[in-house]
Amino acid sequence: DTAVSQTPKYLVTQMGNDKSIKCEQNLGHDTMYWYKQDSKKFLKIMFSYNNKELIINETVPNRFSPKSPDKAHLNLHINSLELGDSAVYFCASSQDRGHYGYTFGSGTRLTVV
Amino acid sequence: DQQVKQNSPSLSVQEGRISILNCDYTNSMFDYFLWYKKYPAEGPTFLISISSIKDKNEDGRFTVFLNKSAKHLSLHIVPSQPGDSAVYFCAASGGGTYKYIFGTGTRLKVLA
Repeated sequence: DTAVSQTPKYLVTQMGNDKSIKCEQNLGHDTMYWYKQDSKKFLKIMFSYNNKELIINETVPNRFSPKSPDKAHLNLHINSLELGDSAVYFCASSQDRGHYGYTFGSGTRLTVV
Repeated sequence: DQQVKQNSPSLSVQEGRISILNCDYTNSMFDYFLWYKKYPAEGPTFLISISSIKDKNEDGRFTVFLNKSAKHLSLHIVPSQPGDSAVYFCAASGGGTYKYIFGTGTRLKVLA
């Protein structure tokens, strides 16, 4: 039973396309996150939702839009994909502020060609 | 501006010896710190945490030390095992936020 599952694991798409990445957690956590790991391996937070409310919205292009239909799901939609969006995107969840650690998904490797 | 830094990109240690991974931070508001381990093609896995009210926390072979005045923390792994070979990230949070800032990672290789 995967605690935090992301789909798809790999995504190859052309510039200009719109794509979505889905994330689901079955841990009963109330907070979910999207992190981006770029080519230099930096892990940077993009968004966070707590009980379906957006609480962190870092400086990311507005082509990126998160959606949390319920506490267990946090999806990421990306419009008009660009080459620079190629990265590994990690979903994570935690209870409250995550001071006892996040649980990460296995990542989605997005390649824009 | 990287607020959390891991200045050693890689470290090699003999099996059975101690591994010491270091992390420095610049923001004095940080009051919670986490360490994660990451294997290739997997997400990071939480290892151990420490809050600023403590200077040491132990969990089995893993011990984290926090030096608030130096804005420095370290993760000790004793004894090191080949299965510990992975990338280790430290992360810091503070000011009541939900945001953890991650370091750039240190690749540990434990030699059999």
